[in-house]
Amino acid sequence: DGGITQSPKYLFRKEGQNVTLSCEQNLNHDAMYWYRQDPGQGLRLIYYSQIVNDFQKGDIAEGYSVSREKKESFPLTVTSAQKNPTAFYLCASSIWDYNEQFFGPGTRLTVL
Amino acid sequence: GIQVEQSPPDLILQEGANSTLRCNFSDSVNNLQWFHQNPWGQLINLFYIPSGTKQNGRLSATTVATERYSLLYISSSQTTDSGVYFCAMRGETSGSRLTFGEGTQLTVNP
Repeated sequence: DGGITQSPKYLFRKEGQNVTLSCEQNLNHDAMYWYRQDPGQGLRLIYYSQIVNDFQKGDIAEGYSVSREKKESFPLTVTSAQKNPTAFYLCASSIWDYNEQFFGPGTRLTVL
Repeated sequence: GIQVEQSPPDLILQEGANSTLRCNFSDSVNNLQWFHQNPWGQLINLFYIPSGTKQNGRLSATTVATERYSLLYISSSQTTDSGVYFCAMRGETSGSRLTFGEGTQLTVNP
């Protein structure tokens, strides 16, 4: 089955800790994206990657970091520098940039 | 960047009713998508429609790019249609980012 998987589904973190969210796709897509959704709002772009070993900041990159060492994987690290990290995080991919995007099931992060 | 406005923000229907959701945008677009977010948060692709009209079962969508709006039609609504509907688009000067509207919260009552 082709698709995008994210893990974990729920994540709890203490203040001051870094945490890494996983995103994997087996669709052979070149482009991958991370979005953040706050309650009652639309999604905002954190980071995106058009190709392996390359990534660009989105609209709200402060306090986040990413890597793209493999085509299938685009992990997101939420660092202690992110002031308000509690949110729903969604990963997406597309065949290449500027094309239709497909989304994973999301990870709900709560900072205690 | 591109501005996206969805209306109405909330919509309550009885099962079987029809509805129209609207998305206005401020710039030329080269990518426009409609999504349904289910109660578990999953975003389900409904349409990829930067221009023209498409239909899929009880749902159809029309984008009039020259007038900068898109419409999503839901006919004979069912309780499973409940959730939040988002339009999202990439403006021609927006780079890679999809800009999302605030969504329409649809509730279909039995």
